[in-house]
Amino acid sequence: DTVLTQSPALAVSPGERVTISCRASESVSTLMHWYQQKPGQQPTLLIYLASNLESGVPARFSGSGSGTDFTLTIDPVEADDTATYYCQQSWNDPLTFGSGTKLEIK
Amino acid sequence: QVQLKESGPGLVQPSQTLSLTCTVSGFSLTSNSVHWVRQPPGKGLEWVGAIWSGGSTDYNSALKSRLSISRDTSKSQVFLKMNSLQTEDTAIYFCTRWHYYDGYEGFAYWGQGTLVTVSS
Repeated sequence: DTVLTQSPALAVSPGERVTISCRASESVSTLMHWYQQKPGQQPTLLIYLASNLESGVPARFSGSGSGTDFTLTIDPVEADDTATYYCQQSWNDPLTFGSGTKLEIK
Repeated sequence: QVQLKESGPGLVQPSQTLSLTCTVSGFSLTSNSVHWVRQPPGKGLEWVGAIWSGGSTDYNSALKSRLSISRDTSKSQVFLKMNSLQTEDTAIYFCTRWHYYDGYEGFAYWGQGTLVTVSS
């Protein structure tokens, strides 16, 4: 299975730029997607196919990468962005998720 | 409007079988795939399995021997059955639709999830 590795946690101040990384154990081309999950809620899709912004998602969110290294960027960060962010790949079977990065806004 | 809603027992005894239902609306099961994703309390997301638009299924290899996913297209329902439950199967179980067309894909629609606790 394709393992997706994310750093466990980050803490930033409002107005700053934050990058959240996801490294795949093998190439996933650009079939990488990002989700935001707030406590007690279901995940929501932010970015699909590595760099495409889902409809209704603020332009503060952006994604980049291909192959094995991917990044989700939030610029500028707002207090409401407190959440856990997951990457997910769909290039290799089975579909897999990263372990999540918990973002704290100071 | 696309909607998915999970239902099932909140409590299951160890070694017993879990049966969950995902009732969907706003789309056809014969044109879309529905997946199950679970999340143990305080932990990350784990893909469980899927039923594709043609009716074929895929399962997480770690769960495959205990898992079955099926559907009733006339009722717009997808079913998950998992046997020999253990405490580590305690989780929120989400059903989600894989939204796919040329140039787009992702889990765009999710149910609210249902908490399943495995305990005697």
